[in-house]
Amino acid sequence: AQSVTQLDSQVPVFEEAPVELRCNYSSSVSVYLFWYVQYPNQGLQLLLKYLSGSTLVKGINGFEAEFNKSQTSFHLRKPSVHISDTAEYFCAVNTGGFKTIFGAGTRLFVKA
Amino acid sequence: GAVVSQHPSWVICKSGTSVKIECRSLDFQATTMFWYRQFPKQSLMLMATSNEGSKATYEQGVEKDKFLINHASLTLSTLTVTSAHPEDSSFYICSASSPGGADTDTQYFGPGTRLTVL
Repeated sequence: AQSVTQLDSQVPVFEEAPVELRCNYSSSVSVYLFWYVQYPNQGLQLLLKYLSGSTLVKGINGFEAEFNKSQTSFHLRKPSVHISDTAEYFCAVNTGGFKTIFGAGTRLFVKA
Repeated sequence: GAVVSQHPSWVICKSGTSVKIECRSLDFQATTMFWYRQFPKQSLMLMATSNEGSKATYEQGVEKDKFLINHASLTLSTLTVTSAHPEDSSFYICSASSPGGADTDTQYFGPGTRLTVL
């Protein structure tokens, strides 16, 4: 069975500071990894995904994530955050069978 | 591309009534759609997987007779909450997978439906 652990439930950070949202997964087979963002009262928007190839993945809104197979991690980073990045971020894993497992979410709160 | 819509975006109903939520893939054919439920400040909980032309597969603990799912076409799936009660109040989100290519395992999410049962 697969599982996803988001290590931080909340991450407060000042505007223009860098941020890292941590995600670890467990799986006995190869996985596809995703990060989604959810703004209040909205659905989920895909930020980026890792399917294969380069382990450094760049997404929308200046976010990037690095797949580390040995550490089973897929941490999300942004070098300089904006107030508008305040949202809930979900890490997710899929093993190719359509069923996607989501982490509990990390609330990013950007302060002025 | 890969846009998923939901209707309605919010609904308030009386206890005991039934509510139907539609999920549509606007610019692609979705052989598989998913229905999630999200409680405040929590993650998404998969309720069921819906395949076009066949019965939905429900997750453990989800009542099939309570949450009726119909995937009548490659672009439409519906979730009907029957005899709704206040504890059914939640944010319901659908998603769809676009088969083929690198997007095969990517889900595209609808904007969600806020259900409030009085």
